[in-house]
Amino acid sequence: GEDVEQSLFLSVREGDSSVINCTYTDSSSTYLYWYKQEPGAGLQLLTYIFSNMDMKQDQRLTVLLNKKDKHLSLRIADTQTGDSAIYFCAESMKGGYNKLIFGAGTRLAVHP
Amino acid sequence: DGGITQSPKYLFRKEGQNVTLSCEQNLNHDAMYWYRQDPGQGLRLIYYSQIVNDFQKGDIAEGYSVSREKKESFPLTVTSAQKNPTAFYLCASSSRGNTEAFFGQGTRLTVV
Repeated sequence: GEDVEQSLFLSVREGDSSVINCTYTDSSSTYLYWYKQEPGAGLQLLTYIFSNMDMKQDQRLTVLLNKKDKHLSLRIADTQTGDSAIYFCAESMKGGYNKLIFGAGTRLAVHP
Repeated sequence: DGGITQSPKYLFRKEGQNVTLSCEQNLNHDAMYWYRQDPGQGLRLIYYSQIVNDFQKGDIAEGYSVSREKKESFPLTVTSAQKNPTAFYLCASSSRGNTEAFFGQGTRLTVV
């Protein structure tokens, strides 16, 4: 079946790197996503990776994908207080449209 | 500006009442989605529509109904049959083959 799991909380010091981890179960996933949600708001797409890639870097964000272990991670370099939010991992199934399966979200707290 | 608009931002419902949440997009997207978000859980898919006048049940459709009479609009009705409707509701849209689903800012529904 389809299942995406994440740890619920992460606390880091400002300026350090944050690593948020996610595991998924469906090996037929085509895209894997990281979304950011600030309090009381909708979801904002941060980055995504196609399932045949191992790594993707976008400014302070690095996504690593281990297909063998079905493990996805998001690294945020030089974490700032503005990065405090909930981060959702999601996978989409094969097909033309984005029917997304979400994890429960990781709440990132950045402290001075 | 292009985007997705959900209204109202906050909604209060008495027990036994039906309420309708609005979702409008001007992105010319074919597909639209409704998700429900509860604390500590990921987003769960309620209904989705890939084309006008057609929609499919998601994972938790019981107690909800939708319509898709226009491409731009995908309203969600929370009926009295939904036993635990208090939640944050998110609407999203995407175009065929696009990697990104765009989200609205959400509607927080509270039963009083």
